[in-house]
Amino acid sequence: GENVEQHPSTLSVQEGDSAVIKCTYSDSASNYFPWYKQELGKGPQLIIDIRSNVGEKKDQRIAVTLNKTAKHFSLHITETQPEDSAVYFCAATPYSGGGADGLTFGKGTHLIIQP
Amino acid sequence: EAQVTQNPRYLITVTGKKLTVTCSQNMNHEYMSWYRQDPGLGLRQIYYSMNVEVTDKGDVPEGYKVSRKEKRNFPLILESPSPNQTSLYFCASSFEPQALGKLFFGSGTQLSVL
Repeated sequence: GENVEQHPSTLSVQEGDSAVIKCTYSDSASNYFPWYKQELGKGPQLIIDIRSNVGEKKDQRIAVTLNKTAKHFSLHITETQPEDSAVYFCAATPYSGGGADGLTFGKGTHLIIQP
Repeated sequence: EAQVTQNPRYLITVTGKKLTVTCSQNMNHEYMSWYRQDPGLGLRQIYYSMNVEVTDKGDVPEGYKVSRKEKRNFPLILESPSPNQTSLYFCASSFEPQALGKLFFGSGTQLSVL
């Protein structure tokens, strides 16, 4: 099955700086890569996703890049703000369209924005 | 408001006492799933359901049961809870099978089994 490694487990950055979280996956058939943000006391919420036919996707201050050859994808947050403090999860799946392939999540990154 | 509702939010029980965690969604989603979250292990899927009366095991199904009699409800049943099932549980739903759809998560149920 798929295996997703996520680094770092904790990331502390100064407010206004950029943050990068990296994930690698093992199954070359994986074709969908979402990122979820979990604020304290809440369930995870999808913030951005990318499909394997795209190399990069941006949404305001967040962006995700995908390198299929190296089997890794990254989340980039620019101009970090206090509300960016949360746990971030990457995930991957080799969804084929006919079955029930599930999302495999990384173990999470606790992002801390220092004032 | 579109949401996934789990109850209870917190639950403390003792080993062997059957319990049910309820999950309901109001978005007419076909796909529903249960996850457990443990420190250092991330989110692991317990069971999922593609539609009414269709359920299947995820990565960590041992000790759990589910049912999907109605589209909106997907309860998680622990017939004989054990301390290793102490965890934070999340229910999630999606309009499409999760890989192509957006997963909506509930707020979580913190379960402690003594």
